[in-house]
Amino acid sequence: DGGITQSPKYLFRKEGQNVTLSCEQNLNHDAMYWYRQDPGQGLRLIYYSQIVNDFQKGDIAEGYSVSREKKESFPLTVTSAQKNPTAFYLCASSIRAKETQYFGPGTRLLVL
Amino acid sequence: SQQGEEDPQALSIQEGENATMNCSYKTSINNLQWYRQNSGRGLVHLILIRSNEREKHSGRLRVTLDTSKKSSSLLITASRAADTASYFCATDAFKGRGSTLGRLYFGRGTQLTVWP
Repeated sequence: DGGITQSPKYLFRKEGQNVTLSCEQNLNHDAMYWYRQDPGQGLRLIYYSQIVNDFQKGDIAEGYSVSREKKESFPLTVTSAQKNPTAFYLCASSIRAKETQYFGPGTRLLVL
Repeated sequence: SQQGEEDPQALSIQEGENATMNCSYKTSINNLQWYRQNSGRGLVHLILIRSNEREKHSGRLRVTLDTSKKSSSLLITASRAADTASYFCATDAFKGRGSTLGRLYFGRGTQLTVWP
C-alpha cells in the first residue's frame, strides 16, 4: 500500500526545545517537501529536496533544519530558534521536482 | 513568496450549482495544478494542465488556462455538499532556457462551501 506518512499527528513543544517531525514515503519519489500552513492561509515552503543528500531552503527556512540521508525519509526539526512554531506542517513528495505532489496527513504542532 | 493567487477567497453555493474559482500568476510557467484540502487534512491533487494546453476535464472538473492573461479557472459542475473544501492552485516558475526551480508555488486558496 503506497503512500506518504507523517508522525506524530499532534506534537507539543516546550519553550527552548527542539522537536522532529517524521515524513516517510514508499512511492520511490525523488523529491520531497515540507510546508507550513497557518490558519486560513496557504502553504509556505520551508525546505525541499530533489535528491538524496541534497536539499534547498524554501521561503521560510529560518528556525528549521532537515536531512535527506535516505530516499524515503525527510525529517524536519523545528529548533528553539523558531519563535512561532504553532502551525500545521505538511510533507509532500513527487516523482520529480515540480510535478504532481502527494501529501501526507499533516502534523499539528502546538507550544506548551 | 506568492506566485499564484486564487479568487474569490470564499465561495458559498447551493448543491447542484456550479462553482468557479480563478487563479492568477505572475511569471511564465510550465504547468499549473489544482489541489483540494478538506479541513485538517493533507492536500489532494485534482488536475494538472500544461502551458501548451487550454482546457482539461476530469469528471465534474473543468480547468482552463490562459497563458496570455496568466490565469486559470477551475469549474466544478453540479456541486455536492462533499465538495466543501479549500481549493489551491500551484504553479512552477519557468526561468527560461528550460530551467525551473524544483518547487511549486501555492496560492492562499478559495474556501468553497456547498450547502445541502
